[in-house]
Amino acid sequence: DTAVSQTPKYLVTQMGNDKSIKCEQNLGHDTMYWYKQDSKKFLKIMFSYNNKELIINETVPNRFSPKSPDKAHLNLHINSLELGDSAVYFCASSQAQLAGPYNEQFFGPGTRLTVL
Amino acid sequence: GENVEQHPSTLSVQEGDSAVIKCTYSDSASNYFPWYKQELGKRPQLIIDIRSNVGEKKDQRIAVTLNKTAKHFSLHITETQPEDSAVYFCAAGYSTLTFGKGTMLLVSP
Repeated sequence: DTAVSQTPKYLVTQMGNDKSIKCEQNLGHDTMYWYKQDSKKFLKIMFSYNNKELIINETVPNRFSPKSPDKAHLNLHINSLELGDSAVYFCASSQAQLAGPYNEQFFGPGTRLTVL
Repeated sequence: GENVEQHPSTLSVQEGDSAVIKCTYSDSASNYFPWYKQELGKRPQLIIDIRSNVGEKKDQRIAVTLNKTAKHFSLHITETQPEDSAVYFCAAGYSTLTFGKGTMLLVSP
């Protein structure tokens, strides 16, 4: 009964490759997020989707493209991977956007991406 | 946008001592202030949160205080235990969350 799941857990790939990370939540939440956590543990939001629509797109290279086929899924596709993309990527979800009454964000287990 | 500063970056205490982590934020529109605990290799998990209409909240050994005028909020852990060792993140926001850079708390037996 995993609340927020991500696949794969580990991803090792060469520079220049294209890869995808999948995220699914079974909490019935409306909003989903992607965060990047670098080697210094800094947790930074990348994207936020509300009911399949993009609502936040932080300063992220356009090599990163999120896709939300339905409100339970938010996938992250990365083109032309670079060494600096190596990090742990966390998906998260919440009942509604932050200004609403249900704000807790539930995080997935993370995907450790290593670019060689 | 919001800017959240968190201090200290590392904190070592003896078991049974109290630990305090402090955060400041810049955007007066922020109204939600959660704290997350991240154990090594695990996901961040919410341990306590506070909203702007509340000055203090307590849950067993953890408490959070908020001073909206000064734009700072703090996490207090009393009677620390080795299993409290982790990285703690504060966050602040209105329509999205901005996280602090984290505090690595080490509780020695």
